[in-house]
Amino acid sequence: DAKTTQPNSMESNEEEPVHLPCNHSTISGTDYIHWYRQLPSQGPEYVIHGLTSNVNNRMASLAIAEDRKSSTLILHRATLRDAAVYYCILRQQRTYGQNFVFGPGTRLSVLP
Amino acid sequence: DAGVIQSPRHEVTEMGQEVTLRCKPISGHDYLFWYRQTMMRGLELLIYFNNNVPIDDSGMPEDRFSAKMPNASFSTLKIQPSEPRDSAVYFCASSLRGMNTEAFFGQGTRLTVV
Repeated sequence: DAKTTQPNSMESNEEEPVHLPCNHSTISGTDYIHWYRQLPSQGPEYVIHGLTSNVNNRMASLAIAEDRKSSTLILHRATLRDAAVYYCILRQQRTYGQNFVFGPGTRLSVLP
Repeated sequence: DAGVIQSPRHEVTEMGQEVTLRCKPISGHDYLFWYRQTMMRGLELLIYFNNNVPIDDSGMPEDRFSAKMPNASFSTLKIQPSEPRDSAVYFCASSLRGMNTEAFFGQGTRLTVV
């Protein structure tokens, strides 16, 4: 299964943009790149996903490298409520189903 | 829809006892995933179902763990007998079929085995 690599932790100041990187050098052509985050004492929640093109939604933007071997989650203005663990995941098609495996993620701290 | 519903939210049991965790996925979702989360190992995928059929249970740690999905609206994860090292937060998630769809997670069941 293709794996993702993320920094263990990052820090940001409130109201500033945050760029969370993810490497997925063994990604397959049909794998979707998903980002989830987990706030303290909660289950993971969806943030954004993409295949090849950059994506924007109300929560964040996703920039995908042209070769798809890396991606960056962009929070345009970090708030204290964005402090969480951010997971970059490849949703992969398998013969009888879809794999959806989480790595260790990046713990984002937001400083006031 | 009320989202993915897990019960109980908290469970404390004695070593050796049987534990059953329950999950109600979002109506109409094709996939159901069971995860276990600990500080040491993070979020581990235990098993997932597609249309009520178990697809991959390679993440189930031991024979003491079993999971069923008797119908599209209910799944259970059973541990028998339970051990202290099974203490963790167990999450259930569901999603539609497409790889471009999001998965929705429940609030989790915090299991403590003493």
